[in-house]
Amino acid sequence: DQQVKQNSPSLSVQEGRISILNCDYTNSMFDYFLWYKKYPAEGPTFLISISSIKDKNEDGRFTVFLNKSAKHLSLHIVPSQPGDSAVYFCAGGGADGLTFGKGTHLIIQP
Amino acid sequence: DAGVTQSPTHLIKTRGQQVTLRCSPKSGHDTVSWYQQALGQGPQFIFQYYEEEERQRGNFPDRFSGHQFPNYSSELNVNALLLGDSALYLCASSPFPRGPEMNTEAFFGQGTRLTVV
Repeated sequence: DQQVKQNSPSLSVQEGRISILNCDYTNSMFDYFLWYKKYPAEGPTFLISISSIKDKNEDGRFTVFLNKSAKHLSLHIVPSQPGDSAVYFCAGGGADGLTFGKGTHLIIQP
Repeated sequence: DAGVTQSPTHLIKTRGQQVTLRCSPKSGHDTVSWYQQALGQGPQFIFQYYEEEERQRGNFPDRFSGHQFPNYSSELNVNALLLGDSALYLCASSPFPRGPEMNTEAFFGQGTRLTVV
């Protein structure tokens, strides 16, 4: 049973435009959610988090939105830059550690 | 600050052998978690150590065991290796969550790529 789902394996966005990465979850017990970015041959790098009691958190170009009723969260990157090309993982956090989705490969095109 | 460091970076083992992977947490962090990332998948939680004890465990068999030392560094041991154990093994460190709403972002090392042949 996949508790965290990222249904888009890849996403291509033009440089300067908005990138929207989506994530759905089934476990209502997650206390918070995190987004990680991963380059090849490196470990995941923390990007941004959101508590389950919030609906939005913003940090520079990155904004995460949480819709608890729909069990859905999204990461918005504005404007998208070439260095944003990477695999993005959504994760739910709680008493059982972090549960990750399979990731979305974001490709920023010039 | 060196961040989270893992060793070795790559390892090749034969089926049936045993392996030990090592992790040094980020300075100031007292909690270490281990994850297995198979190709094309997200990291899967193996277990977490705090105060030298296993605090939480994911859905992994007893062949996977660990240890945490007084300096907070940690080892992951896998016995009787199977071909399916080939994966990237990630170590993550964090401060131990001390509140229900404390977002505990974990900082990851670069991982150890284990290949079982």
